[in-house]
Amino acid sequence: NAGVMQNPRHLVRRRGQEARLRCSPMKGHSHVYWYRQLPEEGLKFMVYLQKENIIDESGMPKERFSAEFPKEGPSILRIQQVVRGDSAAYFCASSPTRGGGAFHEQFFGPGTRLTVL
Amino acid sequence: QKEVEQDPGPLSVPEGAIVSLNCTYSNSAFQYFMWYRQYSRKGPELLMYTYSSGNKEDGRFTAQVDKSSKYISLFIRDSQPSDSATYLCALKGGNDMRFGAGTRLTVKP
Repeated sequence: NAGVMQNPRHLVRRRGQEARLRCSPMKGHSHVYWYRQLPEEGLKFMVYLQKENIIDESGMPKERFSAEFPKEGPSILRIQQVVRGDSAAYFCASSPTRGGGAFHEQFFGPGTRLTVL
Repeated sequence: QKEVEQDPGPLSVPEGAIVSLNCTYSNSAFQYFMWYRQYSRKGPELLMYTYSSGNKEDGRFTAQVDKSSKYISLFIRDSQPSDSATYLCALKGGNDMRFGAGTRLTVKP
């Protein structure tokens, strides 16, 4: 059973370009979470999606960032008009069921390291 | 004040030492307390989780939660060089999950 897949592993963009980060959850998982990790700052929650639905986007910047999880295919985190401050590691995690009040382990992918020149 | 405070270290110990890693938090709504291990250039992986106050042991690892003090700990006994990694605490309440900054640990042979 393959784990959470993310691609690309490394992405270099110039300021003003668009970045697309992909995440394929573990087989059987229908819940996807995106996190951003900056050095010395830990993981910051960005967005929680279920197939075709955004459940919680309270951690997403209001502008330039968007996420989707279509019925078919991977989840996409899209960053438009990237700036140097967007340089970070972006991790995707998946879980088999909804969060809510119970505990459901989130399995993390290897991350995409975005560098904005 | 951050919701979750964790000393980023770095922490360096000799092989065989007992390691103590800690986090404090401010939101009493957190119910699940987790420790993740992250090797360099990898995604975090869940080590242990506990619900409510108390201790939980798994091999060389012991997780401790004191909800009254809003303080959680991870102890590693007989530390090994392979334990060298960044350890992140994570707390969950409802749909909210918050991570500490992570403590970078190096165990020297």
